[in-house]
Amino acid sequence: ETGVTQSPTHLIKTRGQQVTLRCSSQSGHNTVSWYQQALGQGPQFIFQYYREEENGRGNFPPRFSGLQFPNYSSELNVNALELDDSALYLCASSFEAEYNEQFFGPGTRLTVL
Amino acid sequence: GNSVTQMEGPVTLSEEAFLTINCTYTATGYPSLFWYVQYPGEGLQLLLKATKADDKGSNKGFEATYRKETTSFHLEKGSVQVSDSAVYFCALKGGNQFYFGTGTSLTVIP
Repeated sequence: ETGVTQSPTHLIKTRGQQVTLRCSSQSGHNTVSWYQQALGQGPQFIFQYYREEENGRGNFPPRFSGLQFPNYSSELNVNALELDDSALYLCASSFEAEYNEQFFGPGTRLTVL
Repeated sequence: GNSVTQMEGPVTLSEEAFLTINCTYTATGYPSLFWYVQYPGEGLQLLLKATKADDKGSNKGFEATYRKETTSFHLEKGSVQVSDSAVYFCALKGGNQFYFGTGTSLTVIP
């Protein structure tokens, strides 16, 4: 059974640029949630995708957007990058949206200069 | 609204010492409660969970009891090992959203 994978592992962008992060959910999982984890902080919920539809959103501006594909993999897009967007971005998948257990990927470390 | 308040770290203990990491929560309704662990360079792993009041979650020698009267879910372990060194996050699930505490860094020295 393949776990949750994320790509890339690290990337560096400059302010104002756009970035796309990718997540492959665990086999059999149809729900993907994205989190932002700033240094020294806990993960903050960005949004969740369930069967290709957005299924809840945290307190993040519209320049954070996402997609989920028919194979349930997902993308997180961030436009007009700001310095404060520098963080570890975590993806987590679960069997169903209401299921209690979610499995996290290793994260993508984004640095905005 | 929903939130989690977690004991500030870092915590440093000697091997075989007793561990307590405090966690309290604020929630509407009856959330499920979790402890996650994050080892250096890795993503979060579920350590244990409890889905209703008075439930006790346990795993790998760690325990936590869902206390509705004190809105708490403190993590305990009777005898820590060097391999337990990590960052521990308390979390609650309200609706489809997880709310995490700020994390407590634990270092266990031989």
